[in-house]
Amino acid sequence: DTGVSQNPRHKITKRGQNVTFRCDPISEHNRLYWYRQTLGQGPEFLTYFQNEAQLEKSRLLSDRFSAERPKGSFSTLEIQRTEQGDSAMYLCASSLAEGGMGSPLHFGNGTRLTVT
Amino acid sequence: GNSVTQMEGPVTLSEEAFLTINCTYTATGYPSLFWYVQYPGEGLQLLLKATKADDKGSNKGFEATYRKETTSFHLEKGSVQVSDSAVYFCARRANDMRFGAGTRLTVKP
Repeated sequence: DTGVSQNPRHKITKRGQNVTFRCDPISEHNRLYWYRQTLGQGPEFLTYFQNEAQLEKSRLLSDRFSAERPKGSFSTLEIQRTEQGDSAMYLCASSLAEGGMGSPLHFGNGTRLTVT
Repeated sequence: GNSVTQMEGPVTLSEEAFLTINCTYTATGYPSLFWYVQYPGEGLQLLLKATKADDKGSNKGFEATYRKETTSFHLEKGSVQVSDSAVYFCARRANDMRFGAGTRLTVKP
């Protein structure tokens, strides 16, 4: 296993369109996280899963955003009716729940979204 | 507000200079603390971590000590190299992982 994989690497879409990103975590990791990163900022937490259960979702997250992890393996993040403000790098990370707070997150290379 | 505050960049140093990037955090309880690094064109990579007070994390010549009394986790390196040029993120993990805004380091030969 070579790490967390995200697809696509880049996505350009027109305002109002829907987009979906995919994340494949490290295979033995049971936790999966989505973050968003804009230029000059650190990653901002969006949501996370333990296995297939979505355990937490940021209160700042618009209801146009939805994430799934149907079989507890890969995850998808969908943004409906995209807006220019959604332009960002979307990062996926995974970790082991068993390590508790000491377990680091392993990040993918991200999907860069540009909304025109 | 953000629960991790780190030194604003950019930071520019000459090769072999001493590096300090300050980081302070707020959290209830006893979070774990991390430094991540992002090299140009790459994803975030774990650099080092500390999980309890007075622990020192170290990797690739970088060090950071978990100081509970000052709620700090400052990153240091005694002699930086050009290859250390990157963006460095401090993070704390309680229930969730929160990141600072990042500090861009440029090391010139």
